[in-house]
Amino acid sequence: DIQMTQSPSSVSASVGDRVTISCRASQIITNWLAWYQQKPGEAPKLLVHSISTLQTGVPSRFSGSGSGTDFTLTINSLQPEDFATYYCQQANSFPITFGQGTRLDIK
Amino acid sequence: EGQVVESGGDLVQPGRSLRLSCTASGFRFGEYALGWVRQAPGKGLEWIAFIRGKNSGGTTEYAASVKGRFTISRDDPKNIAYLQMNSLKIEDTAVYYCARDFWGGGYSFDYWGQGTLVTVSS
Repeated sequence: DIQMTQSPSSVSASVGDRVTISCRASQIITNWLAWYQQKPGEAPKLLVHSISTLQTGVPSRFSGSGSGTDFTLTINSLQPEDFATYYCQQANSFPITFGQGTRLDIK
Repeated sequence: EGQVVESGGDLVQPGRSLRLSCTASGFRFGEYALGWVRQAPGKGLEWIAFIRGKNSGGTTEYAASVKGRFTISRDDPKNIAYLQMNSLKIEDTAVYYCARDFWGGGYSFDYWGQGTLVTVSS
């Protein structure tokens, strides 16, 4: 199984800040890495697929990057609606696995 | 725009069974794979089951934690997918989400339902 490890587990930031969330896979992932945003009481929302492709409708302040085993979600100029929990997911092989999540709080 | 809606969550005793439904609309259901992802209270996301579309034979995949107890199936003419859960355990307590596999993104999920709560307790 491919284990996904996110860091940090939580981060505090202010509106307008830039935040970076890391995700490391225990094995090389070819191209299928996704990022989701989840707000309390809501379903996850697909933000990025295929490592760096923004899902339709996702603001351009979000970006994904990386290769091999190391991946990053960057949020530029944080907005109030961005405070949520973020998950990476390897979409490469079964079993599908998620990172443990990164909670982004308002400082 | 497409959507999926889960139903069937309930309070059940350990060892009992429950069937969840996922009703889809707004897209060609039979052409898409679907998955179930659950989230225990206060915890992260856990993928548990996946069923391919008709063009891929409708084959299935399961997480080790549910294999042999849970069965995913689909009724394409009715646009419904099911998750049959047998021999339920307390640790199966979670919100269960149905999600559509996103074409071109590996096994990632673009449409998610609102979730249905399954509570396993005596």
